[in-house]
Amino acid sequence: NAGVMQNPRHLVRRRGQEARLRCSPMKGHSHVYWYRQLPEEGLKFMVYLQKENIIDESGMPKERFSAEFPKEGPSILRIQQVVRGDSAAYFCASSPPGQLANAYGYTFGSGTRLTVV
Amino acid sequence: KNEVEQSPQNLTAQEGEFITINCSYSVGISALHWLQQHPGGGIVSLFMLSSGKKKHGRLIATINIQEKHSSLHITASHPRDSAVYICAVRPGGSNYKLTFGKGTLLTVNP
Repeated sequence: NAGVMQNPRHLVRRRGQEARLRCSPMKGHSHVYWYRQLPEEGLKFMVYLQKENIIDESGMPKERFSAEFPKEGPSILRIQQVVRGDSAAYFCASSPPGQLANAYGYTFGSGTRLTVV
Repeated sequence: KNEVEQSPQNLTAQEGEFITINCSYSVGISALHWLQQHPGGGIVSLFMLSSGKKKHGRLIATINIQEKHSSLHITASHPRDSAVYICAVRPGGSNYKLTFGKGTLLTVNP
């Protein structure tokens, strides 16, 4: 029973390139959350998705960032035209729906460390 | 001022010592989480609690809702406990969005 799988673990991109980060939730989990951890800062909420729906993207930068969670396949966090300030660790978490989330909480992935050079 | 404040920021202990990490928050919450993050590693959820006390092995988490305060205790600390410990709260009315403290870096020396 695999946990939350994130890939790649490390990603290096040149300024201006696109970064695609993938997250496969735990089996049975239909809710996905993305968080960003900037150097020397705490984790910050970015976006909350359910299958084929963005529920809350209030933590996402307005430009260059997008997220999706298609009916089939992993959730994708996409960063277009990356800049040095995008360098951070990006964590995905998943949870079961509704009251089960209140009971069981969240399972986090190992993160993707993005370095923009 | 952050909604979630942790203390201390850094903590160094000798193996075997009793460790306490504190978390104070300023908003009403529906749950509080304690997380562990090893350097360069992923995040592991240790506890989720909304009242009282929980224990798992050498780890104990307590919460006082009235005082908006939680503590994480580690008994008989070991070098493998060295990690960043993060407190996160789920504000009341939100069943998903977490607000995180900046973490406490714990180093346990042999």
